Amino acid sequence: AQKITQTQPGMFVQEKEAVTLDCTYDTSDQSYGLFWYKQPSSGEMIFLIYQGSYDEQNATEGRYSLNFQKARKSANLVISASQLGDSAMYFCAMREGTTGSARQLTFGSGTQLTVLP
Amino acid sequence: GAVVSQHPSWVICKSGTSVKIECRSLDFQATTMFWYRQFPKQSLMLMATSNEGSKATYEQGVEKDKFLINHASLTLSTLTVTSAHPEDSSFYICSAKQQRHEQFFGPGTRLTVL
Repeated sequence: AQKITQTQPGMFVQEKEAVTLDCTYDTSDQSYGLFWYKQPSSGEMIFLIYQGSYDEQNATEGRYSLNFQKARKSANLVISASQLGDSAMYFCAMREGTTGSARQLTFGSGTQLTVLP
Repeated sequence: GAVVSQHPSWVICKSGTSVKIECRSLDFQATTMFWYRQFPKQSLMLMATSNEGSKATYEQGVEKDKFLINHASLTLSTLTVTSAHPEDSSFYICSAKQQRHEQFFGPGTRLTVL
């Protein structure tokens, strides 16, 4: 079974509007972390936001917020006030275990976001 | 934030040659480094996990004799693609983490084997 599922291969959004990128995950661990990364065409992986499994509040970082619904095992990324520079591939990822564990990140298949002027 | 560098950023080589890619943590000591491979329009796939001073742990399906990983110090890990072939052409990304901290990614190395 896929550990991280991103069902939207591509998304379009109008500049200045908000967009939600979907991510669902599958784990039997009680302790885990969820991440979103942005990968522009240059290839670098840019960390956006993190949500720990025990965090009660949804994470926010500037225009990025994570809609964490633990019971549904979803961790959707919301980008508010989209900008042209937001056009990129977005990956959802999960690390099972605690922060100190050496476990690797498991990535979803990604969503290509295009912001239209 | 923490900085991870990779060198070279891109490399073109002939089939049959070996290519070494370096991954360095510039402002922190990395207890663990990870090597990922990414084909165009696809996700990152973990190749191996390396801890300083010990042998790397390879993911299933990754040939350890083909992809040699050395993590000789807390700031440097190297990936050597031995006897490279066109099917090895890919984007290789490393990441590094300190204990109890998150992973920081390098900018990636684009390998093209002719």
